[in-house]
Amino acid sequence: DAEITQSPRHKITETGRQVTLACHQTWNHNNMFWYRQDLGHGLRLIHYSYGVQDTNKGEVSDGYSVSRSNTEDLPLTLESAASSQTSVYFCASSEEGYTGELFFGEGSRLTVL
Amino acid sequence: GDSVTQMEGPVTLSEEAFLTINCTYTATGYPSLFWYVQYPGEGLQLLLKATKADDKGSNKGFEATYRKETTSFHLEKGSVQVSDSAVYFCALRQAEYGNKLVFGAGTILRVKS
Repeated sequence: DAEITQSPRHKITETGRQVTLACHQTWNHNNMFWYRQDLGHGLRLIHYSYGVQDTNKGEVSDGYSVSRSNTEDLPLTLESAASSQTSVYFCASSEEGYTGELFFGEGSRLTVL
Repeated sequence: GDSVTQMEGPVTLSEEAFLTINCTYTATGYPSLFWYVQYPGEGLQLLLKATKADDKGSNKGFEATYRKETTSFHLEKGSVQVSDSAVYFCALRQAEYGNKLVFGAGTILRVKS
């Protein structure tokens, strides 16, 4: 069965360190997204990609970057982790268009001390 | 920009009670509307969707009707179970906004036996 997986599921790091969260999907979807989930804010879009070599900023992109070198993977990098980036991060993918669902990974819980 | 507003929780109900979670949206075009559910410790999964006005989405006893005149997509279930305890997110997606999924803040539902 096709799936979307995130790693690591849990990560504790220190302020100022670089952190990369991996996202891998086997749906062969062109669209991929990264969201963060915080109490009271729902899910907010960080970055997204419509295909290989395409990346776009979402509403809360400061301090984050992504790259898309193949269809399956969209890693999220925190260049210099800050305590404000403590959150649960979700990766998702979808087919083209706006009527279909997004398929979500199980999330990566990041704590920045 | 596009936005989704849903009722604040937590909502606490007894088993077999009737559930309504209100959701209204603001959008410039004609979005698709979704309800996602997140069970404890898990990622989000699609509960139901509607892609045009007057459509009714339904799944697992839940239903919601796309009301363009009131810009609403309220979630209902006639008889909730303890296993329905979760966080429910209303969301929209439309081509004018790059096909991104825009979420409400989420509503926690607790069902007591």
